[in-house]
Amino acid sequence: KAGVTQTPRYLIKTRGQQVTLSCSPISGHRSVSWYQQTPGQGLQFLFEYFSETQRNKGNFPGRFSGRQFSNSRSEMNVSTLELGDSALYLCASSLAWTAKNEKLFFGSGTQLSVL
Amino acid sequence: AQSVTQPDIHITVSEGASLELRCNYSYGATPYLFWYVQSPGQGLQLLLKYFSGDTLVQGIKGFEAEFKRSQSSFNLRKPSVHWSDAAEYFCAVAPNSGGYQKVTFGTGTKLQVIP
Repeated sequence: KAGVTQTPRYLIKTRGQQVTLSCSPISGHRSVSWYQQTPGQGLQFLFEYFSETQRNKGNFPGRFSGRQFSNSRSEMNVSTLELGDSALYLCASSLAWTAKNEKLFFGSGTQLSVL
Repeated sequence: AQSVTQPDIHITVSEGASLELRCNYSYGATPYLFWYVQSPGQGLQLLLKYFSGDTLVQGIKGFEAEFKRSQSSFNLRKPSVHWSDAAEYFCAVAPNSGGYQKVTFGTGTKLQVIP
């Protein structure tokens, strides 16, 4: 079974631009969550989608948005990029996220650099 | 809200030596607790998890963790470290309130293994 696939692997953008990152979960997984990872901050929760609905959202500005398609693939978008948005963005999938019965499967991430 | 603290940013151990990585959590009741490992350039992989019952939890790759309610800790241990264990380790916590629960990660401990 293929793992969680994130594309692209690397991205370089300039301030003010927007970016879209893609995540394909493991086949059959309906929950997709996104995390921002930066040195010193660890993983910060962005949002989680289940069956095309956003169930929870972290403390990030409205410039960060996401969506999930009917095939469970998910995208996240960052508009008006800032230097501080440079980070590794990780996507994780699970069958149906309830902490007790499931575990998160992570992709390798998209490394975003904002110049 | 739950939180998790990993007080050690970086740890260096000799190959074959024992290892203990510290994790302290803050939560009103007994949470769900996890340890994840991230190898360079990779996503996170679940090592082990604690929900209830036996406070000593066995995981993959020879790791174990002990839940100590009185100390609000969930330290990760390994009796003999291998060079391949060099990675970053994340402790995580989720509330046990049922249904969807947001996972909160610590800032990570980077493990270096020297020959």
